[in-house]
Amino acid sequence: KQEVTQIPAALSVPEGENLVLNCSFTDSAIYNLQWFRQDPGKGLTSLLLIQSSQREQTSGRLNASLDKSSGRSTLYIAASQPGDSATYLCAVRQGIYTDKLIFGTGTRLQVFP
Amino acid sequence: NAGVTQTPKFRVLKTGQSMTLLCAQDMNHEYMYWYRQDPGMGLRLIHYSVGEGTTAKGEVPDGYNVSRLKKQNFLLGLESAAPSQTSVYFCASSYSQGAVITEAFFGQGTRLTVV
Repeated sequence: KQEVTQIPAALSVPEGENLVLNCSFTDSAIYNLQWFRQDPGKGLTSLLLIQSSQREQTSGRLNASLDKSSGRSTLYIAASQPGDSATYLCAVRQGIYTDKLIFGTGTRLQVFP
Repeated sequence: NAGVTQTPKFRVLKTGQSMTLLCAQDMNHEYMYWYRQDPGMGLRLIHYSVGEGTTAKGEVPDGYNVSRLKKQNFLLGLESAAPSQTSVYFCASSYSQGAVITEAFFGQGTRLTVV
């Protein structure tokens, strides 16, 4: 059974720091991995989608990498801002025709001025 | 572009009452999902649908029923609400490129409290 873990569970950093959020999964046979952002009381906003054949994806100050063989993905946030404060979730899809996403429990990030 | 819209946003039920949560998407996506989110447990899949008229059980289906009579709508029903169903419910949809399922889009959630 696939299990997805995110460490740390919470992170508090000063504005301007570069930071890395970690996501690990137990079964490396994934099709893709998606990073989401969730603001308090809100839904999930998709940030980046990495296909299993890709090593990384970039969007603005965000960069996500994927190492399937070791069961790891990292989300790198450059020059963090208070507006980045949110919970970050990763989710894996097991196979090409599989309909389900398996989620980690998230990292709650606070960026203070 | 509304994306995925959930109705209602908040609801309080008494134990034993029934209700239906509505999810509507305007992106012509084939796949739709219902998740629940509980503290410390992440998002867990309740039911999902791979197309109009189809439904399937997810990880935690007990106590819930679903219907997908129209492609754009996915309904989640609670026939007899229990306090254990107090949670935040999220609907999501996905599209496919050929036979390959890609990115998932989520609604804003429904906060349900059962007293």
